[in-house]
Amino acid sequence: QQQVKQSPQSLIVQKGGISIINCAYENTAFDYFPWYQQFPGKGPALLIAIRPDVSEKKEGRFTISFNKSAKQFSLHIMDSQPGDSATYFCAASRAGGYQKVTFGTGTKLQVIP
Amino acid sequence: DAGITQSPRHKVTETGTPVTLRCHQTENHRYMYWYRQDPGHGLRLIHYSYGVKDTDKGEVSDGYSVSRSKTEDFLLTLESATSSQTSVYFCAIADRGVDEQYFGPGTRLTVT
Repeated sequence: QQQVKQSPQSLIVQKGGISIINCAYENTAFDYFPWYQQFPGKGPALLIAIRPDVSEKKEGRFTISFNKSAKQFSLHIMDSQPGDSATYFCAASRAGGYQKVTFGTGTKLQVIP
Repeated sequence: DAGITQSPRHKVTETGTPVTLRCHQTENHRYMYWYRQDPGHGLRLIHYSYGVKDTDKGEVSDGYSVSRSKTEDFLLTLESATSSQTSVYFCAIADRGVDEQYFGPGTRLTVT
């Protein structure tokens, strides 16, 4: 049972463009939504995370937009660079304690010069 | 990088043999996790631990067992490896539950 649906599966963006990755969740008990970035041959690393008490969080060129009523959240990468080429995973969980994290299926982003 | 190592990094084994993967951390974090990563499936939780000798199942635990006898080590055992267990396995650690997980470099396992 997939509780977090991620799209698109792959994405090609020109350098300087905006990359947008979308996720939707089903479990209304989720209250922590991180995004992980993974480069080839490496483990995923936390990029940015949001809690549902805010609708947007920005860190540098990376922004999470969150729509609680629609149960959707998205990652926007502004001014995309070739170095952003990686696989991105959205995830969701209940914050605190030892709650399990449910990951999306991943989006492979390629930023072309 | 968080102090997480996984061993071995690559392994090829035959169907039916037992296999043990090791995750070692130097961060003294309470929580440890084993995931498998497969194309089209993302990361799926196999087992996790919330303390020494305290473990629980994830969503794809069948055919796997774990043990944690020390804070720093979390072992994943494939009791009788099958071809469907060919995957990349990641260990992760966390200090405060799931607020941020730090992942190891991964182990690529091939079952022939």
